[in-house]
Amino acid sequence: GENVEQHPSTLSVQEGDSAVIKCTYSDSASNYFPWYKQELGKGPQLIIDIRSNVGEKKDQRIAVTLNKTAKHFSLHITETQPEDSAVYFCAASTSGGGADGLTFGKGTHLIIQP
Amino acid sequence: NAGVTQTPKFQVLKTGQSMTLQCAQDMNHEYMSWYRQDPGMGLRLIHYSVGAGITDQGEVPNGYNVSRSTTEDFPLRLLSAAPSQTSVYFCASSYSLTASGGAFNQETQYFGPGTRLLVL
Repeated sequence: GENVEQHPSTLSVQEGDSAVIKCTYSDSASNYFPWYKQELGKGPQLIIDIRSNVGEKKDQRIAVTLNKTAKHFSLHITETQPEDSAVYFCAASTSGGGADGLTFGKGTHLIIQP
Repeated sequence: NAGVTQTPKFQVLKTGQSMTLQCAQDMNHEYMSWYRQDPGMGLRLIHYSVGAGITDQGEVPNGYNVSRSTTEDFPLRLLSAAPSQTSVYFCASSYSLTASGGAFNQETQYFGPGTRLLVL
């Protein structure tokens, strides 16, 4: 089955700096790659996603890049703010998303230092 | 819309007890899933359903049963709780849209707030 590796497990950055979280996947058939943000005591919330026919997608301060050849994708957050502090999960799917669920990375705890 | 709702928010069980975790969604989503989240393990898929009357196993199905009698509800049953089932459980639902030209389906999962389960 699919295996998703996520790095780093903890990332501390100064407020205003950029943060980058990287994931690799094993199944070349994967075609959908969402990123989730999870705040303490809450369920994961989708923040951005990308599909295999696109190399990059941006939404305000958040961007995701996908390299299908290398089988890795990354989350980029620019101009970080205190409210960006949370755990971020990457995921991959071979069914385009929800039909048979998502395979998640183990998460990155992002800490924004004031 | 309430989105995805889960009850209870927190539950303590003794080993061997049974219980049902409830999940409901009011978005008319076809797909529903159950995940468990353990420290350092991320989220792992337990069971999923692609529509009423259809369920299938995920990565970690042992010790859990599910059914999908309606589009809205997808309960998760623990038949005989074990300490290894202490975890946070998340239910998710998603819709399916066919992209223009029918290239592939687009599906985005929405998660509920979770149920924290402690098995003693």
